[in-house]
Order: sequence, then structure tokens, then C-alpha cells
Amino acid sequence: AQTVTQSQPEMSVQEAETVTLSCTYDTSENNYYLFWYKQPPSRQMILVIRQEAYKQQNATENRFSVNFQKAAKSFSLKISDSQLGDTAMYFCAFMTMDSNYQLIWGAGTKLIIKP
Amino acid sequence: SQTIHQWPATLVQPVGSPLSLECTVEGTSNPNLYWYRQAAGRGLQLLFYSVGIGQISSEVPQNLSASRPQDRQFILSSKKLLLSDSGFYLCAGGDRNSYEQYFGPGTRLTVT
Repeated sequence: AQTVTQSQPEMSVQEAETVTLSCTYDTSENNYYLFWYKQPPSRQMILVIRQEAYKQQNATENRFSVNFQKAAKSFSLKISDSQLGDTAMYFCAFMTMDSNYQLIWGAGTKLIIKP
Repeated sequence: SQTIHQWPATLVQPVGSPLSLECTVEGTSNPNLYWYRQAAGRGLQLLFYSVGIGQISSEVPQNLSASRPQDRQFILSSKKLLLSDSGFYLCAGGDRNSYEQYFGPGTRLTVT
């Protein structure tokens, strides 16, 4: 079965610090896409960053970057210079090429940025 | 990128009443469409997805149904709501080229 595990139910850091959220997944497929989504208190689900499994280079979007370790099936999210607006639930998800475009979701990590 | 419109934002319905939640997509054609449910503080549960007009796949047997009468319209329905149908419902549209999914603002449904 394909699964996503986020081992940190909750994390908190001070504003301006760097924080890393962990995610591991399990699949026997070789081609897939990985995603991090953010869900602030408004509950709007927002795509933060995505990574294609065939790309070795880690994706980066402004203050957000990933550490993708394909052999270890690990996909962590690093948030640099954290801001109060980064407070949210963060979900890791992946999609295989033959999954009818269905996402497999982790349970989420609640991130709190303290002033 | 796509914009997903979803309404109503909140809904309070008595047990046994019907339900209709609507989702429309702007900014793309022939999207994949999804309905999710999310319990408070939990992850997303996929309910239905559609890869085309009239093509609906159900992931979880339940009291709900979905329809796609137009390319960019996706409707979640129930003939008789149960208390267990309460939750936060999210509609998403998927881009076939990038495999990304974009979400609507959600509907908070309370069945009383």
C-alpha cells in the first residue's frame, strides 16, 4: 500500500528561525510527484511546493525548499526566516503516474510560529 | 493557474434533509475534479474524483453522490443527510500536465 508519514504532529519555532518538517512515503513506483500543502486557520488549502521524482535538483520557492532523498523515500520541507503567517497545518502528499491523478496524503504537521 | 469556486461557505442542515454543494473551475478546461472531506485537525479523505463529464469514481461508500454535468462543474449531493456527514468539504481541480491540485475555500457542513 502507498502511504505518507508525517512523524511530527506539532512543531513550534520563533519568528525568523528556520524549521524543517519531515515526510516519508512508501511506494514501489519509480515515477511520481511530491507536494507540500499549507492549510492556515482559514482552512484554504494552498500548494506550497512540488517536486518531480525524476528530478535530482531540490525544488525551491522563495523561503520554502525541499530536501528530496529518493532512495530513502524522504521529502522534508524547510522554511527559512519563518514568519507569523507561516502558522498553519502542513500536509505532505504524493501522486503516482498511474493513480488516476489521486493524491496520497499525510496526516499533517501543525506548525506554530511564535512572535 | 486555476481558480476554484465553491459555495456555500457554511451550511447547517437537519438530519434527513437533502444536500447540494457546488464547485466550479475557472482558468482551465477539462480538469480533473475532486471532492474531499476533512475532519477537524485531520487529513483529507478523498470522496469522489472525475476525469471527465459524466465520469465519476467513488472512493468511499457512503451517503453521498457526485455529478459532473459540465466540464468545469462538480456537484456533491445527498438525498438524506446523516449526522456523520458533518465536516469540512473541499473541492479541488487538477491540472493534467503538472499533476497539481488547486483547492476551493471549502464548505463547513453541520448536520443537526
